[in-house]
Amino acid sequence: RKEVEQDPGPFNVPEGATVAFNCTYSNSASQSFFWYRQDCRKEPKLLMSVYSSGNEDGRFTAQLNRASQYISLLIRDSKLSDSATYLCVVNGFNKFYFGSGTKLNVKP
Amino acid sequence: EAGVTQFPSHSVIEKGQTVTLRCDPISGHDNLYWYRRVMGKEIKFLLHFVKESKQDESGMPNNRFLAERTGGTYSTLKVQPAELEDSGVYFCASSWDRATGELFFGEGSRLTVL
Repeated sequence: RKEVEQDPGPFNVPEGATVAFNCTYSNSASQSFFWYRQDCRKEPKLLMSVYSSGNEDGRFTAQLNRASQYISLLIRDSKLSDSATYLCVVNGFNKFYFGSGTKLNVKP
Repeated sequence: EAGVTQFPSHSVIEKGQTVTLRCDPISGHDNLYWYRRVMGKEIKFLLHFVKESKQDESGMPNNRFLAERTGGTYSTLKVQPAELEDSGVYFCASSWDRATGELFFGEGSRLTVL
């Protein structure tokens, strides 16, 4: 079983749509959680950390459910520039585990 | 401030040859990681240095891969001899905190083994 599982997509949405990505992780002792964004042929970059209480950064909202070992990312009012692959990243035992990524295509 | 830099950005070699990838982390980051992404797969952990020491090398595929970080500064990852399945993008990342800190990635070294 993979440490981190994500729906690979692609998610094809129109501009202005709201889209949600989910991610599950297998290690219940995982300590910290992140969403990274990776543009085509570029390196991953941190989008936001995910806190137990949930957190929001502009149009982006991240939530963590430790009981279900589940992380989500909600993007509101999608922009063309949001098109990318979104990676769910989990840190357990000082090791970062990556999901395979969910591809988002925002269309005009 | 300079980010994580990797060299070369792209390397094309023949099966059986040797390639050495280099990573310069962000200055002051004790933690340095190597990851690999094979086409269509998730980014996979290779190993983790804390300063010059190998903290965890459980992700190294086999003994054809050798990583070093002399003096706790830059790191090299050597593949010798290279096989076809070694093709992929090798990412280096550094962080100041191995448990909770953000990973800063280099742009990756794309390796193609023919």
